[in-house]
Amino acid sequence: RKEVEQDPGPFNVPEGATVAFNCTYSNSASQSFFWYRQDCRKEPKLLMSVYSSGNEDGRFTAQLNRASQYISLLIRDSKLSDSATYLCVVNMRYGGATNKLIFGTGTLLAVQP
Amino acid sequence: NAGVTQTPKFRVLKTGQSMTLLCAQDMNHEYMYWYRQDPGMGLRLIHYSVGEGTTAKGEVPDGYNVSRLKKQNFLLGLESAAPSQTSVYFCASSYEQLAGGTDTQYFGPGTRLTVL
Repeated sequence: RKEVEQDPGPFNVPEGATVAFNCTYSNSASQSFFWYRQDCRKEPKLLMSVYSSGNEDGRFTAQLNRASQYISLLIRDSKLSDSATYLCVVNMRYGGATNKLIFGTGTLLAVQP
Repeated sequence: NAGVTQTPKFRVLKTGQSMTLLCAQDMNHEYMYWYRQDPGMGLRLIHYSVGEGTTAKGEVPDGYNVSRLKKQNFLLGLESAAPSQTSVYFCASSYEQLAGGTDTQYFGPGTRLTVL
C-alpha cells in the first residue's frame, strides 16, 4: 500500500461547480497534513494546512478524519484558475527522530468554461 | 525575498557526465531538501539537511551526493549521470520541524534534467 494515495483524476468540472478530492494515508502516527497545488511545469505551492477540526480558506475547505486516515479538500464555485494538480501531503517519521513529508501523486483538476 | 532559487533551470547531459545543481534560500531556513519528481511517482526525497554542515539520505539517494557548506545553499551532485536520472529536481526549505510534525516546505522552481 502506498503511504499516501490519491485518485489521479482527471476531474473535469464546469465553472461554478463544487468538487471534492480525497486522500488516504497509511501511517496512523502522522501529525501534519497539507494540500499543495502544482500548476503545469511549476513547483508545488502550499494551498492550505489541514487541522484536526477542519479549516476553511475562502472557497476551499479541508477536513481530516484520523479514525479512517483520510483527508479531503472541497472546492466550491470552481474557477478556471483552479485548474491544477492538487497534492496531498502527510508527514511521516523517517530515519529516527526526523519527520519527512510524503507526497501523493496528485489529483488533476480541469475546470471547463 | 527571492525565496528558494535553483540553477540551472534546464540541462541536458550525456551518460557518465557529472553536474551540480545549486539551491539557494534567503529565508534563513534550517532545513533543506532535494526531491525528484517523475510521472506517476510523486515527489521523492533524495537527500536532506537539518542544518549547516549536515546532510542525510532520503528515500532515493543512490547516484547523488549533497553538501551544505553554507546555511543558505544546498548543492546536489550527480557523479556519473544515467538516463534513469532524467527527471525534474525540486529543492525545498523549511524553517523548523514542529514537535511531532513538519513545518511547511517552500519549493524552488525546479531543474529539468535530461540524461541521454
